[in-house]
Amino acid sequence: NAGVTQTPKFQVLKTGQSMTLQCAQDMNHEYMSWYRQDPGMGLRLIHYSVGAGITDQGEVPNGYNVSRSTTEDFPLRLLSAAPSQTSVYFCASSSRKGNQPQHFGDGTRLSIL
Amino acid sequence: GENVEQHPSTLSVQEGDSAVIKCTYSDSASNYFPWYKQELGKRPQLIIDIRSNVGEKKDQRIAVTLNKTAKHFSLHITETQPEDSAVYFCAASNGGFGAGTTVTVRA
Repeated sequence: NAGVTQTPKFQVLKTGQSMTLQCAQDMNHEYMSWYRQDPGMGLRLIHYSVGAGITDQGEVPNGYNVSRSTTEDFPLRLLSAAPSQTSVYFCASSSRKGNQPQHFGDGTRLSIL
Repeated sequence: GENVEQHPSTLSVQEGDSAVIKCTYSDSASNYFPWYKQELGKRPQLIIDIRSNVGEKKDQRIAVTLNKTAKHFSLHITETQPEDSAVYFCAASNGGFGAGTTVTVRA
């Protein structure tokens, strides 16, 4: 049981590049979410999904897209990377409906130059 | 998400003493309040949670209390040990997290 798996663990991009952060969970959880973590600002919700085919915006969605074609996978796409998107990104999942994560992935450290 | 305030932002305690972190929330419809521990460079981990139909919950050296009337909930760590040093986050229903409390346990 791997839990929540994120790839890559580290990534450096140039401004304007696009990329996809991958997230997969093997617990059959309906609820999945993406957070970014910046120093002194805690965890901020980017996008979330309550089930396959359903996604919604969180607190800071601008510049990011998500899709949920299967229960297991919830990729986060950066459309045109900006230095302000330098952060640590966490994917999370939960079996409950209430939007609160039970399990987090190990995170992706993303630097935009 | 709703506004969740967390205090203090840093907390230094002597090993063996207790640590208390307090969070307040604004949406009275919130009914679930988890706490997470994040060690340096690691993922956040759910350590304890409480639902609005319960006033207190304990798990070994950690406990959480909830005051629905005042809309605040607290994390209590007793007999602190060096491995309790970490950042602790509270959260309330609808996805709002507190900004975190950095706890340092002095040997």
